[in-house]
This record gives sequence, C-alpha cells and structure tokens, in this order.
Amino acid sequence: AQKITQTQPGMFVQEKEAVTLDCTYDTSDQSYGLFWYKQPSSGEMIFLIYQGSYDEQNATEGRYSLNFQKARKSANLVISASQLGDSAMYFCAMREATQGGSEKLVFGKGTKLTVNP
Amino acid sequence: NAGVTQTPKFQVLKTGQSMTLQCAQDMNHNSMYWYRQDPGMGLRLIYYSASEGTTDKGEVPNGYNVSRLNKREFSLRLESAAPSQTSVYFCASREHRGISYEQYFGPGTRLTVT
Repeated sequence: AQKITQTQPGMFVQEKEAVTLDCTYDTSDQSYGLFWYKQPSSGEMIFLIYQGSYDEQNATEGRYSLNFQKARKSANLVISASQLGDSAMYFCAMREATQGGSEKLVFGKGTKLTVNP
Repeated sequence: NAGVTQTPKFQVLKTGQSMTLQCAQDMNHNSMYWYRQDPGMGLRLIYYSASEGTTDKGEVPNGYNVSRLNKREFSLRLESAAPSQTSVYFCASREHRGISYEQYFGPGTRLTVT
C-alpha cells in the first residue's frame, strides 16, 4: 500500500494566484514528519518545508505553508502568489524510523506544477 | 562548504558492465542515503547508512551494493548493470539537530544502461 499519495499528476495555476498541492499519508506511528521538496527541470532536490506530527501550528516558510490535518492524514502544500519560477515537480515525503535507529524518507510520486503567465 | 557531491554526473554503460557511483558530504552528517528516481515513480530508497560502518537495505536494493568508506563517503556499486537500472541516482545525508530532519541531496547522477 502506498504510504504517500499525491493524487494530482499535474496542476496549472496563473501567475500571482495561490495553489494547493495535495498529499495524504498512511502511518501507524505516533511520531512522524512530512516534507515537501521541489525539483525544477535542472534536477536538484530543494527542501521547502517540514511539519512534525506533534507540531501544533501549521508550518510556514515564506510563500509556502503546509495545511496539516492530522485526523484526515493530509499534509497539503499551499503556495501563495505563484511565480513563474515555481514551475517544477513537487514531492511530498514522510520520514519513517528504521530498525537501525535511523530514519528514511518515503516519497510520493510527485505533482508537476506549471505556472502560466 | 560543498554540501553533498556526486560523481559522475552522467554515465552510459553497456549491459553487464560494472561501475561505482561516488558520494561525499562535508557537513559531518551521520546518515547517508542512496535513492533512484524513475519517471512517474518518485524517489525510492536503495540503501542507507545510519552511521559509519553500518549499511541497510532500502526499498529496491537488488542489483546494488554499497560501502560506507568513512563518515564522509558513501558509494553505490553496480556489479553487472542492467537496462532496468537506467535511472537518476541521488545521494543524500542528514543530521538531526534540534527539530531539523531535513535530508540534503546531491545533484544526481544520470545513468543509462544500453
């Protein structure tokens, strides 16, 4: 079963508008965390934002905010005032504990965002 | 401070050839990871190393071996390359300080196996 589900293969938004990218997750752990990464066409993975399961407030980083709804197991990324440079693939990921005492990331399949001028 | 570096950036192999992908980080991180990215699949974990001297399998380890040479370096080896291993390979590292769980990624290696 997929642990991270991103149901939107592609999204389009007009420049300067806000957009929400969906992410739902599946875990039985009490302590976990959700990430969003951006991957532009150049290929690098850029960390955007992180939300811990015990964080009481939704995370925000500049124009990025994470709409965390624990009961619904969703962690949607909201980008306000979209810019042309926001066009990229966006990946939601969840950190999982490993048997060796470390952690690993489990990624969703991504959403391709296109910002139109 | 270069972060996470990977070599080579591009590589073409013939089926059956072997090669090693190199990864190094200069952030004194304990944990290091190898992922592969295929179209429509997102990133999948191949192997990881929680600390120097330890390695563990991830989601898709078949056909790969790893070595955690020291705290800085974590290499990925393909002993006998297959076309199914055509992919983009990312190395990452992390150190949990405070509330930061961020993984830092290298620029990736694009591998084609013909």
